[in-house]
Formats: sequence, structure tokens, C-alpha cells
Amino acid sequence: DGGITQSPKYLFRKEGQNVTLSCEQNLNHDAMYWYRQDPGQGLRLIYYSQIVNDFQKGDIAEGYSVSREKKESFPLTVTSAQKNPTAFYLCASSSTGGRLALNTEAFFGQGTRLTVV
Amino acid sequence: KNEVEQSPQNLTAQEGEFITINCSYSVGISALHWLQQHPGGGIVSLFMLSSGKKKHGRLIATINIQEKHSSLHITASHPRDSAVYICAVQGAQKLVFGQGTRLTINP
Repeated sequence: DGGITQSPKYLFRKEGQNVTLSCEQNLNHDAMYWYRQDPGQGLRLIYYSQIVNDFQKGDIAEGYSVSREKKESFPLTVTSAQKNPTAFYLCASSSTGGRLALNTEAFFGQGTRLTVV
Repeated sequence: KNEVEQSPQNLTAQEGEFITINCSYSVGISALHWLQQHPGGGIVSLFMLSSGKKKHGRLIATINIQEKHSSLHITASHPRDSAVYICAVQGAQKLVFGQGTRLTINP
């Protein structure tokens, strides 16, 4: 079955270390997204990619980096420059990148809870 | 003003009550999603809508494209329905999420 997989579900890291969150999809989707959620808050866009080898900053990109070398994969690196990295991170993908088309499907990962100690 | 607004932000009800959560958006969209997040849990996709109405068990989702509004209804609510319900819209460039509605159903 096609789907989107985020791993791991829970992740603990020491302060000052970079950490990379994985997001893989086998849906042949062009667009992929990373969001961050803080306790009691909504989801905010970190980065998104509408096509391979291209990505755009979202609303809160500082302290994060991404790559999109393959259509299936959109890893997010939380760098030591991110001042408050402890949060819930959600990856999503959708079938259209940069186009409005009816019945665009979007799939959502389960999320990764990152705790930095 | 946010592109996606949900109301109410918090909702507490008694078991068995009919629940309505609203989502209004201001951008052109391809589709609208309703998602569920239990405390400390991940995201579960409930519905994807681009027109009309969908039903799954006790959950019903409707969308009015002209009015740019969607509602999520829960019939015969149960304590296990307690969760955050999130509306997300698929725009031309990206997915945009609402702030979420925290629903608590008391026994």
C-alpha cells in the first residue's frame, strides 16, 4: 500500500547536536512539506518542496535544513542553531506541486516527537 | 488574518451530544482535510473533501466551496472522541493548517 512514513516516532537528542528526521513516501507525489507543532499550538510550515531538487522556506525555516535529492524522500535536519528544537514534527505530501487541481490528494505522516535535553 | 480559521478553539460537551466544528478559509483550494490528533499522539487523516459531504461512522464532513466553509460533525459523541481536530486546506503552493479545535467529551 502507498503511504508516507516518518521515523522515528520519538527521538531524544542532546543539546547542540544536529538531528535528521526522515520522511519517505511511495505515492509518487511531487510536493512534500515539513511542519512544526508546539504544545497547544497549531502546525507551522518549516520548508516545502514542490519538485525534486527544489525547496522553499516556510514561515519558520531558521535553524532547519532540508534536501530533496529524490522524489520519495524529504529529510529535515534540525541544526544546533535552532534555539527551541523540542516539538512535534509532521511531514506531509501532496500530488500537485504549485497547481490547483480538484481532488488533490494529500497524505500525512504520523509525526516525530523530538525532545532535546 | 489567518488563511484558515477554526472555531471554536476549545469545546467541552457531555457524552452523547452532537458536535460541530467549523473551518473557514480565505484562499482558493484544491481540497480540504480534516485530521485528528489525540494527546501525545500522531496525526490521523479523517476526511478529504473538495465538494459536498462525506460520512464515516459517526463522523460527517461537509464543505461549501462558494462560502469557503467546512464543518465536521460528530453524532452521539463519546469520551474516546476527545482529541484535537485540525482542518487543513490544499492551496496552490502548500498545505495550510488551522489552529485546531480541542474537543473534550465528558462521560
